[in-house]
Amino acid sequence: GQNIDQPTEMTATEGAIVQINCTYQTSGFNGLFWYQQHAGEAPTFLSYNVLDGLEEKGRFSSFLSRSKGYSYLLLKELQMKDSASYLCAVADSNYQLIWGAGTKLIIKP
Amino acid sequence: IAGITQAPTSQILAAGRRMTLRCTQDMRHNAMYWYRQDLGLGLRLIHYSNTAGTTGKGEVPDGYSVSRANTDDFPLTLASAVPSQTSVYFCASSEFSGSTDTQYFGPGTRLTVL
Repeated sequence: GQNIDQPTEMTATEGAIVQINCTYQTSGFNGLFWYQQHAGEAPTFLSYNVLDGLEEKGRFSSFLSRSKGYSYLLLKELQMKDSASYLCAVADSNYQLIWGAGTKLIIKP
Repeated sequence: IAGITQAPTSQILAAGRRMTLRCTQDMRHNAMYWYRQDLGLGLRLIHYSNTAGTTGKGEVPDGYSVSRANTDDFPLTLASAVPSQTSVYFCASSEFSGSTDTQYFGPGTRLTVL
């Protein structure tokens, strides 16, 4: 079966750095997405990785290792507005997105 | 530019009733999707449409139907609602299907079936 695993909840301090991990087992791989979802709102796109390595976009970076079936989202200089759920999703062989349950990130002052 | 709109925002529905959730996009995207989101589970695809006039089944299609008469609209119908269909429903769109185009989501409909 297809499976995406990510931690249920993480806590971090304002101004710090946090890494949210995602491991996957899917039938085929056509890229990995990270989305941000604030409580009661729609998911919004953060990043896309299809090749191994690190993609940096401002305070957010995303890493992919296809051989390990592993990705992480790195958030730097955390701000209170970063409190949200972070969803990992993999595009399978049919380009359908398989979603993890999300990681709820709590930022404390 | 509104992007994707959904209606209603929330609804409480008696079991056995018929309900249509509306979704409209103004981005002229070819592909549209319906997901449900339940606590502790990832988004699950209900139905999708690669282009106007075509639809397909996702991971959890039972009890739901869709139509795609034009590019902009993609309604989701529950023919006879059951309590297990209590969920938050998101409509999404992307420029093309069969690709890794970013999906853009509507604000969601919170449905409670009693």
